[in-house]
Amino acid sequence: NAGVTQTPKFQVLKTGQSMTLQCAQDMNHEYMSWYRQDPGMGLRLIHYSVGAGITDQGEVPNGYNVSRSTTEDFPLRLLSAAPSQTSVYFCASRDRVHEQYFGPGTRLTVT
Amino acid sequence: LAKTTQPISMDSYEGQEVNITCSHNNIATNDYITWYQQFPSQGPRFIIQGYKTKVTNEVASLFIPADRKSSTLSLPRVSLSDTAVYYCLVGDKTGGYQKVTFGTGTKLQVIP
Repeated sequence: NAGVTQTPKFQVLKTGQSMTLQCAQDMNHEYMSWYRQDPGMGLRLIHYSVGAGITDQGEVPNGYNVSRSTTEDFPLRLLSAAPSQTSVYFCASRDRVHEQYFGPGTRLTVT
Repeated sequence: LAKTTQPISMDSYEGQEVNITCSHNNIATNDYITWYQQFPSQGPRFIIQGYKTKVTNEVASLFIPADRKSSTLSLPRVSLSDTAVYYCLVGDKTGGYQKVTFGTGTKLQVIP
């Protein structure tokens, strides 16, 4: 199993640009989540999904959209990038029993 | 969501046992206590989880007193590779998806 994969690893955007961070898992997990981690801080939940076709907001959802058309994929879209969205983004998945598996992260810089 | 409080940082020498305590005064009846480890530039990794008393695995032990208002993660004989941030989380596993809160964690520095 590849576990949770994220692409790209690094990305630089200009203010106002849009992009999609990709996340995929091959463990057939129901639950998937997106977090952001700012320097020296813990992780904050952006959006999550409890199954294909079902998503909901987390703690800091503004400026981000998600969709879950398949069990495996959970992309995160930045609609109009802002410098405040400079962060490291982690995707995670889990089933009902076990704890979260995290991806390697995407380091995003918005200039 | 139950709030947790941990020390911001700790230092330890190689080979020593390290105990990191987490306070969770408003833990609910169905809440479990979970610890994650995060190395720089990596996502968090699950270490151990428990509900009460003591849980041990190949990596760590988790001690939970009867009132469950705190818990202690114990790392035996730490090495330099244990230098990381350790997060304590509290959440209900019985009702499906639960939003969890990662605080700032405890930054453990292991010294040679």
